[in-house]
Amino acid sequence: GQQLNQSPQSMFIQEGEDVSMNCTSSSIFNTWLWYKQDPGEGPVLLIALYKAGELTSNGRLTAQFGITRKDSFLNISASIPSDVGIYFCAGQLGSNYQLIWGAGTKLIIKP
Amino acid sequence: NAGVTQTPKFRVLKTGQSMTLLCAQDMNHEYMYWYRQDPGMGLRLIHYSVGEGTTAKGEVPDGYNVSRLKKQNFLLGLESAAPSQTSVYFCASSPDRILYNEQFFGPGTRLTVL
Repeated sequence: GQQLNQSPQSMFIQEGEDVSMNCTSSSIFNTWLWYKQDPGEGPVLLIALYKAGELTSNGRLTAQFGITRKDSFLNISASIPSDVGIYFCAGQLGSNYQLIWGAGTKLIIKP
Repeated sequence: NAGVTQTPKFRVLKTGQSMTLLCAQDMNHEYMYWYRQDPGMGLRLIHYSVGEGTTAKGEVPDGYNVSRLKKQNFLLGLESAAPSQTSVYFCASSPDRILYNEQFFGPGTRLTVL
């Protein structure tokens, strides 16, 4: 099936650092979404992107829909302890109702 | 609003047993989905529904059945559980065909098949 390559798999960061992660694919996507999953819970939508080149912010989070429509990026500025969790990208191909999901980036803050 | 709720939270089955997972949403959403999440992998869509009385297959439908008799409920059935179905199952819903990508998730059901 279709695949999204999400990187990095995990990140160890210091509180206060900026974080960057991305998703890439060989296919063209119509929509990109970024979700966060806390332990023992379901994913929660952070940002949705609908147009190539779109840059959208949600507080300290900023995501971009790549110009080629084959990638997306998520940045977190000045990380805090509650940013810990798994971040997933998801994309929509064509006009069907199925999202394709990346494998996730696990964010861990060094004590 | 409770959002999306799932019952049960945990379940252990023996191979060959059957069970039904219940998902309920109180947001009047049209679309509902069942996913499974396995370690190191993204979510994979099992089945979905675009409205009451309709269902469709997702990426990994084999071994599962679903029903959407009421708009607010989406049931996932396992007729004869297998160890390969050990996973965390998530239900999600989204408002309509315009915002169907913006999905709201339940807390998950952790299923172990021995």
